[in-house]
Formats: sequence, structure tokens, C-alpha cells
Amino acid sequence: GAVVSQHPSWVICKSGTSVKIECRSLDFQATTMFWYRQFPKQSLMLMATSNEGSKATYEQGVEKDKFLINHASLTLSTLTVTSAHPEDSSFYICSASPRGGYEQYFGPGTRLTVT
Amino acid sequence: AQSVTQPDIHITVSEGASLELRCNYSYGATPYLFWYVQSPGQGLQLLLKYFSGDTLVQGIKGFEAEFKRSQSSFNLRKPSVHWSDAAEYFCAVVPSGGYNKLIFGAGTRLAVHP
Repeated sequence: GAVVSQHPSWVICKSGTSVKIECRSLDFQATTMFWYRQFPKQSLMLMATSNEGSKATYEQGVEKDKFLINHASLTLSTLTVTSAHPEDSSFYICSASPRGGYEQYFGPGTRLTVT
Repeated sequence: AQSVTQPDIHITVSEGASLELRCNYSYGATPYLFWYVQSPGQGLQLLLKYFSGDTLVQGIKGFEAEFKRSQSSFNLRKPSVHWSDAAEYFCAVVPSGGYNKLIFGAGTRLAVHP
């Protein structure tokens, strides 16, 4: 149980284009979903927290107009990287918490490379 | 300052040896405590968690962790390490009143010698 999927697992895009990453909770309802960014050999950096049907809460220093988050349903959240640049290249990981739960279940991550 | 500390960046053990990964936190009230494991290029898998009750917590893959309030620690242990345990291990906390927001330690990279 508690499986979270991400799609795509990797993506290469050209500078200036937008990329959408999907995060789905497959066997539970996720009232809260989180988006992280991870640089090589580093810990996870929380980008934003989203609750179903509400606007996402972004961490300090994260550009909300660049990283658009939509939590449209209890099983789906999307992260859109708009006008991507090479410095946005990173490993993006989502996680989901079930209703009333404090634990987070993580997706397998998406490797984004911007050329 | 509130933080989660994993003092060991790298640890190398021989297969079959015992393992202990250290984690300390600095929060006023006891937070919710977690250990996650990450294999290269993968997401994180929850090994175990502590909310309250018995201070020795059993997790998956033969791991256990002990909460020690007096030391503000939540160390992860395994009696006999397997080569497949080589990975990055993260200690994380949800501070009391932290609205599910996980605070991660820097991680400990475990290498296993055959």
C-alpha cells in the first residue's frame, strides 16, 4: 500500500519551454502533497506544499510563477516548470500524505535536464 | 536553532556487520520521527516512524530505531547488513505543530563491503 507514482521519470527539454510533472497517489487519498528538489549528493529541499482544492504554499525563495503547482484531486498533483532554464535541471520528487497522517510517501522522482 | 543532525556523512561497513546510523534533533517538544532510505536515482522509502509509545521501533528490511528523549536522538540500527542495504539514509522529523512538513537531515551514505 501507499504507492506514489511520478511521470515522467526523466525528461529533457529545451531552454524556454515548459515541462509538466505528474504525481499520483495510487492506493490512497492524499489530502496533502509536497514537491521537493534534490541536487546531487544533497538532501531534499522542500519547494511547496499543496492541499487538494487550495493554492499551494511555497517555501521562501521558490518562485511560484516559475513552479506552478496544481492539486486538482485527492490523487493528483502537478508541477509545471515554466520557461525552463539550465539551472532548473534537477531531480524533482513528490510525496503525499494521507488524510490525518503525518508520514509522507514518496514518488520515484523525475530527472529534468534543460538544454 | 531547530535542526536535524546526521553526524556521519559516509559510513562503510562489511557485509554481515552491525550498523548504527545516528540522528539528533533539536526541537523543544518531541517531534514525530522518521527514517527514509533512498537508492541512487530513486525516491525515498519509509523505513520506520515514531510518534509515541514504545521507544524501540521496528521497521521494514530488518531495521529498527530507538528514541531516546534524554539524548534527543533517534538512531537507526540493523544487526547484520546486506550488500543491498547500500544507499542514502535520511532522518527526518515533523516538528510538533509542523503541519506535516518534514525536516530532513543531510543524509548518511552507506557503503557495504563484500
